[in-house]
Amino acid sequence: DADVTQTPRNRITKTGKRIMLECSQTKGHDRMYWYRQDPGLGLRLIYYSFDVKDINKGEISDGYSVSRQAQAKFSLSLESAIPNQTALYFCATSDPGAGENTQYFGPGTRLTVL
Amino acid sequence: GIQVEQSPPDLILQEGANSTLRCNFSDSVNNLQWFHQNPWGQLINLFYIPSGTKQNGRLSATTVATERYSLLYISSSQTTDSGVYFCAVERGGNTGKLIFGQGTTLQVKP
Repeated sequence: DADVTQTPRNRITKTGKRIMLECSQTKGHDRMYWYRQDPGLGLRLIYYSFDVKDINKGEISDGYSVSRQAQAKFSLSLESAIPNQTALYFCATSDPGAGENTQYFGPGTRLTVL
Repeated sequence: GIQVEQSPPDLILQEGANSTLRCNFSDSVNNLQWFHQNPWGQLINLFYIPSGTKQNGRLSATTVATERYSLLYISSSQTTDSGVYFCAVERGGNTGKLIFGQGTTLQVKP
């Protein structure tokens, strides 16, 4: 969905490096999410945020941190990247006030940790 | 936690054929969505369907919440339908915490 953008789209890094993945949205949604997808598997929730002051851990938050800089921006950080964090990372937004809590996904960031 | 199982895991069709994908879930849900992940990795919303039936062009979906399953129907398949189809559910609390199935990989041959 073009209303949710992620940068970078691809990143190769080395073990131990700090990495930040960024997500921006123009949909005006309060809720934002970070997921990871491993090959052949579905997505798993890392962190989610209901607004700028509300951050919550998801299913697999260990090794990750997040920052909600504004309603429109939600960043995911890997403080010290390790090879098993190699995955496809997705950001998503939703607006339950719209009646349907549909999540809209960004294009994904493919991260490789060597 | 809630379990989400999709079947079949893989499906190969000839262009023009119809198909049914199934999603079973182990507990009651207040949110169920179907997504299509295209070969470039992009996730596209297909349906928000915690119950009932919806149709959008050649695609339709039905969720029978009392029996804990959802079906996605693809009619007159096209090569552009290829990719992975995911079902995702939320157990309750309106948190948006989706639990994804492992997907059905569909290949439509010309």
